[in-house]
Amino acid sequence: DTGVSQNPRHKITKRGQNVTFRCDPISEHNRLYWYRQTLGQGPEFLTYFQNEAQLEKSRLLSDRFSAERPKGSFSTLEIQRTEQGDSAMYLCASSRDQENTEAFFGQGTRLTVV
Amino acid sequence: AQSVTQLGSHVSVSEGALVLLRCNYSSSVPPYLFWYVQYPNQGLQLLLKYTSAATLVKGINGFEAEFKKSETSFHLTKPSAHMSDAAEYFCAVRGNSGGYQKVTFGTGTKLQVIP
Repeated sequence: DTGVSQNPRHKITKRGQNVTFRCDPISEHNRLYWYRQTLGQGPEFLTYFQNEAQLEKSRLLSDRFSAERPKGSFSTLEIQRTEQGDSAMYLCASSRDQENTEAFFGQGTRLTVV
Repeated sequence: AQSVTQLGSHVSVSEGALVLLRCNYSSSVPPYLFWYVQYPNQGLQLLLKYTSAATLVKGINGFEAEFKKSETSFHLTKPSAHMSDAAEYFCAVRGNSGGYQKVTFGTGTKLQVIP
């Protein structure tokens, strides 16, 4: 169990640029989640995958955001035409496909849009 | 619908003193409840979870929490604070009604431990 891995750990980008983050979940975990955390707030749910299927998307996930999990393993989160308000920590988590199990979080990708 | 409210965005305790971090939840179905800890620029680490078994749950690093349905509370305690406990703590809730239910987090409580 190597834990949830996120890359990059930090990303600084200019406003208007596109960015892509990667998440590698724990290998036997079917469920994968993306959260966004801004300063002084708790993580806010963005989207959820069961294997390769994206089953829920938050209203926070505007049309500039897209997430994929093509083979049910790693996932990517892309933000197009970044805005300063996108600056946040983006957290990925994974869990087993069991009702009473917890989610395991990666260390996050901190995005700064300048 | 579900939510959690963490009372007190900042809590300060002296080293060796009791730690009490408050969490109240709201859920339309029986809940699963979690406490996570986050150190600066790190992800979240699970401290403990309530999954409808014992109401008093023991976690890592000497923390425990008690589920009180009548008070809709799940407060986190530790008898004696250590300097290494300084971090941000998040309470979270998920529905216990079968199938997938997303986890909803509170806004967090920053714990400061004073030497």
